[in-house]
Amino acid sequence: GQQVMQIPQYQHVQEGEDFTTYCNSSTTLSNIQWYKQRPGGHPVFLIQLVKSGEVKKQKRLTFQFGEAKKNSSLHITATQTTDVGTYFCAAHNNAGNMLTFGGGTRLMVKP
Amino acid sequence: ETGVTQSPTHLIKTRGQQVTLRCSSQSGHNTVSWYQQALGQGPQFIFQYYREEENGRGNFPPRFSGLQFPNYSSELNVNALELDDSALYLCASSLAGTLGYTFGSGTRLTVV
Repeated sequence: GQQVMQIPQYQHVQEGEDFTTYCNSSTTLSNIQWYKQRPGGHPVFLIQLVKSGEVKKQKRLTFQFGEAKKNSSLHITATQTTDVGTYFCAAHNNAGNMLTFGGGTRLMVKP
Repeated sequence: ETGVTQSPTHLIKTRGQQVTLRCSSQSGHNTVSWYQQALGQGPQFIFQYYREEENGRGNFPPRFSGLQFPNYSSELNVNALELDDSALYLCASSLAGTLGYTFGSGTRLTVV
């Protein structure tokens, strides 16, 4: 089945530093979604990207979808302690009835 | 707008027993998906229900089964529990064709 790989698995940053997580697939994706899961919480939908080369911003968060629609990234500028959590990318299969999650990148921010 | 509600929040079962987990979808959402999330890992897709029919299934054995009711609420049943079934079980609802899934807070299942 479809697989999405995320790197890095963990990232420690000092508050104010930037952070990036990468999501890669061996197959072309129809879309990519990003979720955030706080410690002890549940995944919360952040955004969906559909178009090749698409870039979307949400305040300090910038999401990109690769030109070949095989990779995506989430970049956080000037991290804050509220950014702590695990960030997951997820992709639908062609039928749209299965959302496959990556392994996630756990972000830890030191104040 | 109500969110996704799951019950119970925590559960301890003995190996070999059966368990039923429940989920109330967000108002207006007609699709529900169930995920298993082991500690430190990403959610793994179990199955999806749309209009009371199973609409897709992940790599889980038949002892994992489900139901969706006319009001779009859902149940996940697991028979013959194994120790490796210990995990957070997440229910997610969505409106077919729209963006993003809304997740419930999950049921933490411990099998001893």
